[in-house]
Amino acid sequence: GESVGLHLPTLSVQEGDNSIINCAYSNSASDYFIWYKQESGKGPQFIIDIRSNMDKRQGQRVTVLLNKTVKHLSLQIAATQPGDSAVYFCAEGGNAGNMLTFGGGTRLMVKP
Amino acid sequence: KAGVTQTPRYLIKTRGQQVTLSCSPISGHRSVSWYQQTPGQGLQFLFEYFSETQRNKGNFPGRFSGRQFSNSRSEMNVSTLELGDSALYLCASSPREGRGTQYFGPGTRLLVL
Repeated sequence: GESVGLHLPTLSVQEGDNSIINCAYSNSASDYFIWYKQESGKGPQFIIDIRSNMDKRQGQRVTVLLNKTVKHLSLQIAATQPGDSAVYFCAEGGNAGNMLTFGGGTRLMVKP
Repeated sequence: KAGVTQTPRYLIKTRGQQVTLSCSPISGHRSVSWYQQTPGQGLQFLFEYFSETQRNKGNFPGRFSGRQFSNSRSEMNVSTLELGDSALYLCASSPREGRGTQYFGPGTRLLVL
């Protein structure tokens, strides 16, 4: 399948600042997008999802934005905390059952 | 509810051997998917099972196989292990047949020597 995202970049932010993690996807047929957080030694943890008929969805301290025109997805984390330090993955689906295609991930480092 | 559980958590095998990994989904979830995670290739989809039937399969050789039991528990098997099979194998379950939120287990770390 087509890939989502590329290599593993690192985003370093100060505690209390807002974080924005970006992701590019390539399969225009995908209609379901998910953000996962993965801490060291653990499996990916669901953060938030969005369907293609939406542009924005908000959760607790997180917001996902979807721009289908340029095939771009972003995750905004408000008031970033040290516990937010992890690798964040975007994933796309909706083409075949529950199969997800994952991006390469972004490492978020929060400085106290 | 208890989360997705995977056993064993860690495994060391040698080339040529075979391995079986187990996954117990969240209670009530009938869809189980397997993923391989490596530093070089990231997270890659292996296969998905729903109600004991394989619904989708990723681009992996036939050495990788799986099955699902009537209680939704799933196993995956890798035969004739190669060094490149060293990875974190993740299982995810979903309550829906498609476009469902998937919840991941902690994974099984496989090291092939």
